[in-house]
Amino acid sequence: EDQVTQSPEALRLQEGESSSLNCSYTVSGLRGLFWYRQDPGKGPEFLFTLYSAGEEKEKERLKATLTKKESFLHITAPKPEDSATYLCAPNTDKLIFGTGTRLQVFP
Amino acid sequence: DAGVIQSPRHEVTEMGQEVTLRCKPISGHNSLFWYRQTMMRGLELLIYFNNNVPIDDSGMPEDRFSAKMPNASFSTLKIQPSEPRDSAVYFCASSLGGRAYEQYFGPGTRLTVT
Repeated sequence: EDQVTQSPEALRLQEGESSSLNCSYTVSGLRGLFWYRQDPGKGPEFLFTLYSAGEEKEKERLKATLTKKESFLHITAPKPEDSATYLCAPNTDKLIFGTGTRLQVFP
Repeated sequence: DAGVIQSPRHEVTEMGQEVTLRCKPISGHNSLFWYRQTMMRGLELLIYFNNNVPIDDSGMPEDRFSAKMPNASFSTLKIQPSEPRDSAVYFCASSLGGRAYEQYFGPGTRLTVT
């Protein structure tokens, strides 16, 4: 059975304090991985698509990396506006989303 | 672009009533997805259409749920009869090329069944 696990469930950071979010998975038919950001009361917003192990993508303070069994979302010098829930979803036919990491960045 | 449009944004109904949720995908996108999100189960795919044809409805919880896509610019998700356990946020999303491509989500419909 396909499984996706995100850790930690919640993360509190002080502004400027860098950290990483993890997405690990056991799936079949993997074509890559998606990262999304979700703000309260809104739909998920697409961030990145990673297609193969070793690939990295960056957007402002975010960098996503991919290995064969997990992905990391690195947040460098976060700001309060980075506060959101971050969701990952392995790119497979089953489209299973992780339950997310709720990130809070306080001044 | 207006993005994915969903209506209504909030729906409160009594158990046993029929509920219809509506979605307009981004123009030019050929794939449409319906999801349900709850605290307990997270974001779950209910059904996926490609070129207006249902491709995968394995996530539809039971026969009370049905979805249609009569044309490229409109889809409905219907629950009949509704039950309190159907209370959730329902999202519609669209993409350019199916499940392998990034999806663009609507703002969701918050459904409360009393």
